[in-house]
Amino acid sequence: EAGVAQSPRYKIIEKRQSVAFWCNPISGHATLYWYQQILGQGPKLLIQFQNNGVVDDSQLPKDRFSAERLKGVDSTLKIQPAKLEDSAVYLCASSLWVEGGAFFGQGTRLTVV
Amino acid sequence: GDSVTQMEGPVTLSEEAFLTINCTYTATGYPSLFWYVQYPGEGLQLLLKATKADDKGSNKGFEATYRKETTSFHLEKGSVQVSDSAVYFCALAGGSYIPTFGRGTSLIVHP
Repeated sequence: EAGVAQSPRYKIIEKRQSVAFWCNPISGHATLYWYQQILGQGPKLLIQFQNNGVVDDSQLPKDRFSAERLKGVDSTLKIQPAKLEDSAVYLCASSLWVEGGAFFGQGTRLTVV
Repeated sequence: GDSVTQMEGPVTLSEEAFLTINCTYTATGYPSLFWYVQYPGEGLQLLLKATKADDKGSNKGFEATYRKETTSFHLEKGSVQVSDSAVYFCALAGGSYIPTFGRGTSLIVHP
């Protein structure tokens, strides 16, 4: 079974630039999550999708972050414009059902300079 | 709001020692509880889970019991190996809960 695929693995951008991350979840998983993990901290949920609908985006900084999950399969997360404090690892995860636990991708390490 | 608190690391042990990593949570009801592990250079992996009070999750020799009365989900292993060296994250999710992770506890096991 293929795992959660994310790209790119690494990205370095200057502040005020824009960046996009892509995620392809495990086939058949209806729930998809985007997390932000700052060094030394646990993952923080940014947005949770159920199929192509948003379940929770209360912790997503909507003035600069956006995410979509067209057709209920793969998803993109965008930051525009980026700030220095956005430097983090962005994790995508998927699950069949929330109580069963999530499967994580390798993440994208973003450095904003 | 909901939160998860883990013991500070790093936890440093010799091989075959007993492991406990403490985890307590704050939530208004009964979320599902999880332990995830992140080995060096790899992504997070689900280690074990428990969906209701008094459930015991277990995997790869690790165990954790969902204690409603103490709002805890401590991770234990009877005999650790060098290969268990990793960062361990406690988390809660399910129902109306926003998935919430602790800060992680680093485990270092020496031969």
